[in-house]
Amino acid sequence: DVKVTQSSRYLVKRTGEKVFLECVQDMDHENMFWYRQDPGLGLRLIYFSYDVKMKEKGDIPEGYSVSREKKERFSLILESASTNQTSMYLCASSLTGGGGNTIYFGEGSWLTVV
Amino acid sequence: GENVEQHPSTLSVQEGDSAVIKCTYSDSASNYFPWYKQELGKGPQLIIDIRSNVGEKKDQRIAVTLNKTAKHFSLHITETQPEDSAVYFCAACMDSNYQLIWGAGTKLIIKP
Repeated sequence: DVKVTQSSRYLVKRTGEKVFLECVQDMDHENMFWYRQDPGLGLRLIYFSYDVKMKEKGDIPEGYSVSREKKERFSLILESASTNQTSMYLCASSLTGGGGNTIYFGEGSWLTVV
Repeated sequence: GENVEQHPSTLSVQEGDSAVIKCTYSDSASNYFPWYKQELGKGPQLIIDIRSNVGEKKDQRIAVTLNKTAKHFSLHITETQPEDSAVYFCAACMDSNYQLIWGAGTKLIIKP
């Protein structure tokens, strides 16, 4: 069965801290994504990667960076966490090519910045 | 760029009744329209999708219809059950584009 695993389900961090959110997929997918989910705003794309070491900005990349050193792992980094980054973060992956492929999501990481 | 609007934001229906969620899109070049269901505490999961060369697609109690001329598509759930309670997201994109454009989501509540 396909699996996208987000290592941390719930985190509480202080303002200014560096935060790492880790995601691993076991499906040998080319594409990986980080989304942010806020009530009433749907799913907003932060960054995506279509290959190892490749990354593309999504709709809301400011304040975030990503790393993809291995095909199965995609990390989201908050260099200096701020309270407005309190949110639910979803990692996802899809097989290859364009948007017409099924996206598989992890269960989400709830981040609270205090 | 593409923009997807989804209505209603919340829908409450009696168990056994039908539910309809509607989405409109702006880019006539979009040709792929998936629907995802997000249960409480979980990530969204694909439940049905449709491509622009098809007008309707069914899978048991769920169906999706697409009107390319009007640029809208809808999710229909018949004989609703408690396990249908969830947040539903529509999305649109071109196959060649990596990025799905998402609707804001609809919270479906099934009343016993």
